[in-house]
Amino acid sequence: DTAVSQTPKYLVTQMGNDKSIKCEQNLGHDTMYWYKQDSKKFLKIMFSYNNKELIINETVPNRFSPKSPDKAHLNLHINSLELGDSAVYFCASSPRRGEGQETQYFGPGTRLLVL
Amino acid sequence: AQSVSQHNHHVILSEAASLELGCNYSYGGTVNLFWYVQYPGQHLQLLLKYFSGDPLVKGIKGFEAEFIKSKFSFNLRKPSVQWSDTAEYFCAVNARGSARQLTFGSGTQLTVLP
Repeated sequence: DTAVSQTPKYLVTQMGNDKSIKCEQNLGHDTMYWYKQDSKKFLKIMFSYNNKELIINETVPNRFSPKSPDKAHLNLHINSLELGDSAVYFCASSPRRGEGQETQYFGPGTRLLVL
Repeated sequence: AQSVSQHNHHVILSEAASLELGCNYSYGGTVNLFWYVQYPGQHLQLLLKYFSGDPLVKGIKGFEAEFIKSKFSFNLRKPSVQWSDTAEYFCAVNARGSARQLTFGSGTQLTVLP
């Protein structure tokens, strides 16, 4: 049983296009996240979100927007894709908000290549 | 804001060798510390974590880590590595009571030669 799933696994697209990556978790967690992993494997938080609060990393361009239709889903929509957006995007989730001690569970990643 | 440094970018060991991967963080307050592992082509998995109490924590697959507060370090160790330990290892930290802003180090690629 997949705990955190992402679709698509691979995404190749042209500059300027708009694309979405979907994420679903079946763990009953309250909080979900999006991370970007660059070509040097450096992981950076983009968003954290529960049904009451969206926290955005201030370095994330506003072309990126998370959309949550319900507690189990957090999709990432990207407008006007740029070459520098090429990366692996990981979704994660964690249980109820606490003192930051919750383990985050990661999805398999979506490899985005912008041509 | 917190930051995490992993000074070893690539470590190559033979099977049965001992492993120590360095992790230092920068933050003045109380922190939660994590080690995650990413096997080739797979997602990140938690190896171990430290919140409080005994500074020596044991994780899965024979890994352990020691929190040394005075050195702001949380080094990962394994007495005898296996070929299957070949992976990318990430140290991560968040500030206690934070809004779960987990900050990752740049990762250490471990290659274990059979």
